[in-house]
Amino acid sequence: TQLLEQSPQFLSIQEGENLTVYCNSSSVFSSLQWYRQEPGEGPVLLVTVVTGGEVKKLKRLTFQFGDARKDSSLHITAAQPGDTGLYLCAVYGGATNKLIFGTGTLLAVQP
Amino acid sequence: NAGVMQNPRHLVRRRGQEARLRCSPMKGHSHVYWYRQLPEEGLKFMVYLQKENIIDESGMPKERFSAEFPKEGPSILRIQQVVRGDSAAYFCASSRGTGQSGNTIYFGEGSWLTVV
Repeated sequence: TQLLEQSPQFLSIQEGENLTVYCNSSSVFSSLQWYRQEPGEGPVLLVTVVTGGEVKKLKRLTFQFGDARKDSSLHITAAQPGDTGLYLCAVYGGATNKLIFGTGTLLAVQP
Repeated sequence: NAGVMQNPRHLVRRRGQEARLRCSPMKGHSHVYWYRQLPEEGLKFMVYLQKENIIDESGMPKERFSAEFPKEGPSILRIQQVVRGDSAAYFCASSRGTGQSGNTIYFGEGSWLTVV
């Protein structure tokens, strides 16, 4: 079983549309991170959310941490082709607090 | 200030050969992590090392896979007797301290292994 389930798994939209992707778990976390990975590259950290209910904005991207700190969402406004990539949520877990990734959402924004 | 450097970027091996993937962490970083990614999937944790020590290898297959991070030189992920199922992208990451304590983990650009 996956610690972090992301949905949808795949998303193909037209430029200018809005979208929301989700990261869900039954566990409580002290913090949660979102990464974006472009084809042929390593993942790059977008944001870290720490407080339950916290909302952070990064240009057209809005990240929210659930009140109970079990889930998170990423909303993109007016998507652009440059937003295309794999979006991954991640938390620290396990006995050694290693970084554990979610299942990922693959986003394709068509021009 | 160079980022996490991985080489080779692409590696082709025949079944039964050995694959060695190298990772040089960012300057000043003593924590190294290896992850594996299958096509269009998320990253799966493999191993966490801190100079000369394996901290967590819970994600490493029991056989054929090994990792080291010597006192001098890069971290090495070694896969012996490769099989087709080993074909994947292998990512290395590094941090100054433990990620949990607020140290950002930086990822390399990956090494793509293809087993033919």
